[in-house]
Amino acid sequence: QMQLVESGGGVVQPGRSLRLSCAASGFTFSRSGMHWVRQAPGKGLFWVAVIWNDGRNENYADSVKGRFTISRDNSKNTVYLQMNSLRVEDTAVYFCARDSGDEAVAGDFDFWGQGTLVTVSS
Amino acid sequence: QSALTQPASVSGSPGQSITISCTGTSSDVGGYKLVSWYQQHPGKAPKLIISDDNKRPSGVSSRFSGSKSGNTASLTISGLQAEDEADYYCYSYAGSITWVFGGGTRLTVL
Repeated sequence: QMQLVESGGGVVQPGRSLRLSCAASGFTFSRSGMHWVRQAPGKGLFWVAVIWNDGRNENYADSVKGRFTISRDNSKNTVYLQMNSLRVEDTAVYFCARDSGDEAVAGDFDFWGQGTLVTVSS
Repeated sequence: QSALTQPASVSGSPGQSITISCTGTSSDVGGYKLVSWYQQHPGKAPKLIISDDNKRPSGVSSRFSGSKSGNTASLTISGLQAEDEADYYCYSYAGSITWVFGGGTRLTVL
């Protein structure tokens, strides 16, 4: 069965960095675009970033552009989110989600991981 | 990339119908046929229930329907059931390969 398992969350001080990983299994990872979506405690969902199935294209929400980098390793069935210059307002559960398109980004998510909590605090 | 506007909460009794609105702009909701709706139960990952304004993915109950007029999209749930109690989020393409969520609506089944 399909699985997305996030890891790498934790407590980090403002201005520091953290790298999240999302390991995929149960589907052909190299055919699927992948997204990161976050949810601050008790708050709503926020789209963070997308990467195409072949890794050639990516994009970000304005509030993380220049600080976060999404990448993937199709040989390891893993997508990453490198988060630099972290701010208190980046505190959230970070979900990786599979795009519903096949070798093209449709923008919807048809499968989600359970999330990993990132807490930015001094 | 401003969040889409949804009511904070709605409620209804079992068997009734409710509608949740989602207001954006001509740059997102009104500009593309790409509004989706997600259902999220507490502590769970979201689930896609409507895509492309009004399409139901396989396995989603026909009690869920989506529509749109101008810059406002709507989710209607008919024949409310206790299991429908959850948070609902609209989500739209916003141009330039970016997407935006609504602030979320908590549905309470009385």
